[in-house]
Amino acid sequence: EPEVTQTPSHQVTQMGQEVILRCVPISNHLYFYWYRQILGQKVEFLVSFYNNEISEKSEIFDDQFSVERPDGSNFTLKIRSTKLEDSAMYFCASSEDSGVGVEAFFGQGTRLTVV
Amino acid sequence: GDSVTQMEGPVTLSEEACLTINCTYTATGYPSLFWYVQYPGEGLQLLLKATKADDKGSNKGFEATYRKETTSFHLEKGSVQVSDSAVYFCALSDNDYKLSFGAGTTVTVRA
Repeated sequence: EPEVTQTPSHQVTQMGQEVILRCVPISNHLYFYWYRQILGQKVEFLVSFYNNEISEKSEIFDDQFSVERPDGSNFTLKIRSTKLEDSAMYFCASSEDSGVGVEAFFGQGTRLTVV
Repeated sequence: GDSVTQMEGPVTLSEEACLTINCTYTATGYPSLFWYVQYPGEGLQLLLKATKADDKGSNKGFEATYRKETTSFHLEKGSVQVSDSAVYFCALSDNDYKLSFGAGTTVTVRA
């Protein structure tokens, strides 16, 4: 069964360092998303991406964040200068369409720890 | 804005017990409603969904009915198994792109 895969599963980084979280969406999907969950809090929407551009982003997704689809298969989230409060589980998701009720398929997540 | 409130956990049950996880929502439009499940070490998986009032979503013995009058989408299962141990997330989508999630409820089923 097709699935969304994320690497790495765990990432520890020092404050101020850049990190890139990687995702391989399902191959025929056109819409891509990043969500995050700070420990003990809700899963929060970060950004959606379609046709090589950002469709929507939340207020969390500030200038420190960027997304890219560099080669037609990977979908990456970059945090330029990490802060302690960026520590969270980051989930990538993809969907075939964007209609109401369309299912988004999620990866297993990358746990980012900023020290 | 849109928001989802779900029953706080953790919830611990014995096998064959009944499970109910309450979920209520606030939305400006007419949202679609979802339950996602996360088994240990895995990603979020869609468990069931409903896209209009009075629709009932069902899967793997779980059910939830979209109640517009009470703005609720409670998850129920009549007889849980150890394999149902997971974190359950209620979510809504009020537009094309994003999901708004509840905080998640951790369910542990003991043999």
